[in-house]
Amino acid sequence: DVKVTQSSRYLVKRTGEKVFLECVQDMDHENMFWYRQDPGLGLRLIYFSYDVKMKEKGDIPEGYSVSREKKERFSLILESTSTNQTSMYLCASGGTQRQFGPGTRLTVT
Amino acid sequence: GENVEQHPSTLSVQEGDSAVIKCTYSDSASNYFPWYKQELGKRPQLIIDIRSNVGEKKDQRIAVTLNKTAKHFSLHITETQPEDSAVYFCAASIGGSYIPTFGRGTSLIVHP
Repeated sequence: DVKVTQSSRYLVKRTGEKVFLECVQDMDHENMFWYRQDPGLGLRLIYFSYDVKMKEKGDIPEGYSVSREKKERFSLILESTSTNQTSMYLCASGGTQRQFGPGTRLTVT
Repeated sequence: GENVEQHPSTLSVQEGDSAVIKCTYSDSASNYFPWYKQELGKRPQLIIDIRSNVGEKKDQRIAVTLNKTAKHFSLHITETQPEDSAVYFCAASIGGSYIPTFGRGTSLIVHP
């Protein structure tokens, strides 16, 4: 009963390439989130969205943008990747009963 | 903004022992404190949460305590088992926003 899915589990990109990470949830949640997870740094919030076409910056939005055209989809966009964006990216949806996606491990070389 | 400190970063125990993970938060307006467990290679999952109007909550072998005055909360796992081995994250959020700030995580290792 997978409820939050992400478009890719692993991605390898070259510096300067554009990357789209897509997240889809089937729980009709209004709130969706993008986190970045790095060893020893925990989960850091990049962007979140309360509703379609709405977005709010999290703690580390620099270098990222997002898009929410439909309630079930929340996309994270890296316009021009850099090596310091190599990380695990986790999508989540919901309020207190937050559900996370499986994550996308992005490597930028 | 909110700042959550979590200790220890690594905790190693023998099977059957108890484990305690402690977190402190900075914003006295925080009133919701979830705990997540992330097994190796898997997604974080909510295991227990507590609200500021409650001092303690238990669910089988896990319990969470909250001290609002001191602004700290703790996760207690009793009778640890190897399957408890994981990274545990505490978090704190304000009001009805449910935008939690996470701690840096504790890697719990339970030795058989």
